[in-house]
Amino acid sequence: QKEVEQDPGPLSVPEGAIVSLNCTYSNSAFQYFMWYRQYSRKGPELLMYTYSSGNKEDGRFTAQVDKSSKYISLFIRDSQPSDSATYLCATSFSGGYNKLIFGAGTRLAVHP
Amino acid sequence: DAGVIQSPRHEVTEMGQEVTLRCKPISGHNSLFWYRQTMMRGLELLIYFNNNVPIDDSGMPEDRFSAKMPNASFSTLKIQPSEPRDSAVYFCASSLNRVGSNEKLFFGSGTQLSVL
Repeated sequence: QKEVEQDPGPLSVPEGAIVSLNCTYSNSAFQYFMWYRQYSRKGPELLMYTYSSGNKEDGRFTAQVDKSSKYISLFIRDSQPSDSATYLCATSFSGGYNKLIFGAGTRLAVHP
Repeated sequence: DAGVIQSPRHEVTEMGQEVTLRCKPISGHNSLFWYRQTMMRGLELLIYFNNNVPIDDSGMPEDRFSAKMPNASFSTLKIQPSEPRDSAVYFCASSLNRVGSNEKLFFGSGTQLSVL
């Protein structure tokens, strides 16, 4: 079993739709949860970052962590064609050296 | 800041040849990571340096792979001899890692390696 599971998609939605991206993880010791966005032929860039459980909102993006079910979510409201990218969830333990464990990434296409 | 700079952007080589990938981290960052990304295995950490010292190389697939960081502004990942299964996108990332915190990684644009 992989430490972080993520459906690779692809996911295709119309512009303006609400998008829900999800990951599950197996190790309850993970404390940090991140979402990275990766455009084609580019490196991943950090989109959202949360510590422990709860919600975090940034503009049209909301990250949600449910540690009881080991479930990570990213919601995108009013999706735009510019949101078309691969979204990777990542987790790590707390402490000095935080090795990130990435999910496989979900490819999202938002069509006009 | 120009961000993390990787070279070359693309590398096509024949099986058995030596390949050297290069990385310049963001100035002031003290941690450097080499990742490999494939469709099958996703993004995998190969090696992590902190203050130019290799801390975790457990992800290096085998002895054919080696990485060095001779100074704070330069790192190389070498594959010798290369094999077709090494074909992937190799990313370098850097961060300002402080004990007890979790700093975000800044990735380069990657090197697309094709071994024929």
